[in-house]
Amino acid sequence: RKEVEQDPGPFNVPEGATVAFNCTYSNSASQSFFWYRQDCRKEPKLLMSVYSSGNEDGRFTAQLNRASQYISLLIRDSKLSDSATYLCVVLGNTDKLIFGTGTRLQVFP
Amino acid sequence: NAGVTQTPKFQVLKTGQSMTLQCAQDMNHNSMYWYRQDPGMGLRLIYYSASEGTTDKGEVPNGYNVSRLNKREFSLRLESAAPSQTSVYFCASIRTSYETQYFGPGTRLLVL
Repeated sequence: RKEVEQDPGPFNVPEGATVAFNCTYSNSASQSFFWYRQDCRKEPKLLMSVYSSGNEDGRFTAQLNRASQYISLLIRDSKLSDSATYLCVVLGNTDKLIFGTGTRLQVFP
Repeated sequence: NAGVTQTPKFQVLKTGQSMTLQCAQDMNHNSMYWYRQDPGMGLRLIYYSASEGTTDKGEVPNGYNVSRLNKREFSLRLESAAPSQTSVYFCASIRTSYETQYFGPGTRLLVL
């Protein structure tokens, strides 16, 4: 079983739609969680950290469910510019980041 | 403040050739990392350096060597390139484990 698993997609949604991605992780001792965004042929960039209480940044909401070992990312009112691959990232117990393979989002007009 | 820089951006090698990928950061970060990214595989850690003078193997170290030349620079060397090393290579740095990891723009390597 992979340490971090994501649905690769693609998720094709119209502008203005709400879309949600889930990610599961296998190491129950993991302490830190992140969502990164990666545009085509570019480097990954931090989108947001994920806190136990959940957190929101504009149209983006991240949630953590420790009991079920999954992380979610909700994007409201999707924009064309949201089209990208979203990487779920977990800080492992050896202080190294473990990356999921990413979920591709395509927003169409 | 350039962040994390990588050279070269693109490289084509023949099987058996050697090359060094260069990475530098100007954020005074302690830890630096080398990843490779292949379709459907996500980012996989090759080597990392938790501080100047130390290096450790990651998930896929075979066929690579690294040097942490100083706090700023962390190079990745392919001694004898193989087609299986065709990939996109990213360097990253971080101040502490719980903070944002910053990535360089990547090096696209094709081994024929």
